[in-house]
Amino acid sequence: ETGVTQSPTHLIKTRGQQVTLRCSSQSGHNTVSWYQQALGQGPQFIFQYYREEENGRGNFPPRFSGLQFPNYSSELNVNALELDDSALYLCASSKEPGGNQPQHFGDGTRLSIL
Amino acid sequence: AQSVSQHNHHVILSEAASLELGCNYSYGGTVNLFWYVQYPGQHLQLLLKYFSGDPLVKGIKGFEAEFIKSKFSFNLRKPSVQWSDTAEYFCAVNKHNAGNMLTFGGGTRLMVKP
Repeated sequence: ETGVTQSPTHLIKTRGQQVTLRCSSQSGHNTVSWYQQALGQGPQFIFQYYREEENGRGNFPPRFSGLQFPNYSSELNVNALELDDSALYLCASSKEPGGNQPQHFGDGTRLSIL
Repeated sequence: AQSVSQHNHHVILSEAASLELGCNYSYGGTVNLFWYVQYPGQHLQLLLKYFSGDPLVKGIKGFEAEFIKSKFSFNLRKPSVQWSDTAEYFCAVNKHNAGNMLTFGGGTRLMVKP
């Protein structure tokens, strides 16, 4: 069973640029959630996609956007990058979006903004 | 909005010592509770979860947690730690019947000395 995979592993960008991060969900999972983990903090929920629609959103500005594709893979897009966007971005998938469905996490993409 | 507090940011123990990591959440409704672990260089993994029923739940690798509703707590315990338990531990919560998006605590970094 293939787990959650994320690409790229590391990325360096400058302020004002745009970035796209990618995530392939675990086999059999149709729900993908994205989290931002700043250094020394716990992950913070950005948004969730279920059946190609946004299914919930955390307290992040509109310049954070996403997509989910028919194969349930997902992208996280961030526009107008700011220094505070430097973080580890985690993708998690689950079989369904129900509260009793555990989330399975990928290794993350470490984004550094210069 | 709910929040999760982990009061111990860093814990250092010797092998065979007992472990208890604190987790408190603030939310007046029914919640699902989780503990995740992140070993060095690895992704977040689910240690255990509580949805309902017996408030004492057992997870992998000898860990257990007790849900005390009156105290809004879900503390993690292990009777005898091993060097291989060195990791960062995250408590997380979601609202019952409102999706599986997680609110995480800030994490506790555990170092076990051999």
